[in-house]
Amino acid sequence: GEDVEQSLFLSVREGDSSVINCTYTDSSSTYLYWYKQEPGAGLQLLTYIFSNMDMKQDQRLTVLLNKKDKHLSLRIADTQTGDSAIYFCAESRGGGFKTIFGAGTRLFVKA
Amino acid sequence: NAGVTQTPKFRVLKTGQSMTLLCAQDMNHEYMYWYRQDPGMGLRLIHYSVGEGTTAKGEVPDGYNVSRLKKQNFLLGLESAAPSQTSVYFCASSSLDRENQPQHFGDGTRLSIL
Repeated sequence: GEDVEQSLFLSVREGDSSVINCTYTDSSSTYLYWYKQEPGAGLQLLTYIFSNMDMKQDQRLTVLLNKKDKHLSLRIADTQTGDSAIYFCAESRGGGFKTIFGAGTRLFVKA
Repeated sequence: NAGVTQTPKFRVLKTGQSMTLLCAQDMNHEYMYWYRQDPGMGLRLIHYSVGEGTTAKGEVPDGYNVSRLKKQNFLLGLESAAPSQTSVYFCASSSLDRENQPQHFGDGTRLSIL
């Protein structure tokens, strides 16, 4: 998972926006994903973006992709305590078995 | 609608013991995977399968074996457990048909080797 890098921790106040950043290395990646892991559970797909897109918005979530810099970000608007979790960035190089995961960013939301 | 089910959820082993982790999916997915999750290292792929009767090595296969005798099941075996295999193990599956092929994960098996 070292090819996908994320900061390990992020702390925000409830109601603020959270921005989780990720860098990846393979310019041929087709899809980029954000997964969410809550305590004691597996990863759940949060959202994804195809590599020919710059932005994708889904309710409180905004994904930005800068393909030139190989940078992906996830913005969570109006962050709630229920958003506290680990967020994994992942890139797919074609086929599920070529999906590379980052180490995950642990988001702490303070009330 | 169970999705991906892993058994057991927790297990403690002594060094040298063997065990098998079970994974079952009810989504008729072709691809199945075994990962381990360690602090600060994210998910590392152990083995994967692209279909019934086929398996392949991932990033960290040493010390593990797998079998996919039925499409819905993917088994991970530890023949002689070592403390370095203490980890949380996740099974996942994905479809060949869906273009973006997101993976569906089980809730994990927490394994401690003493």
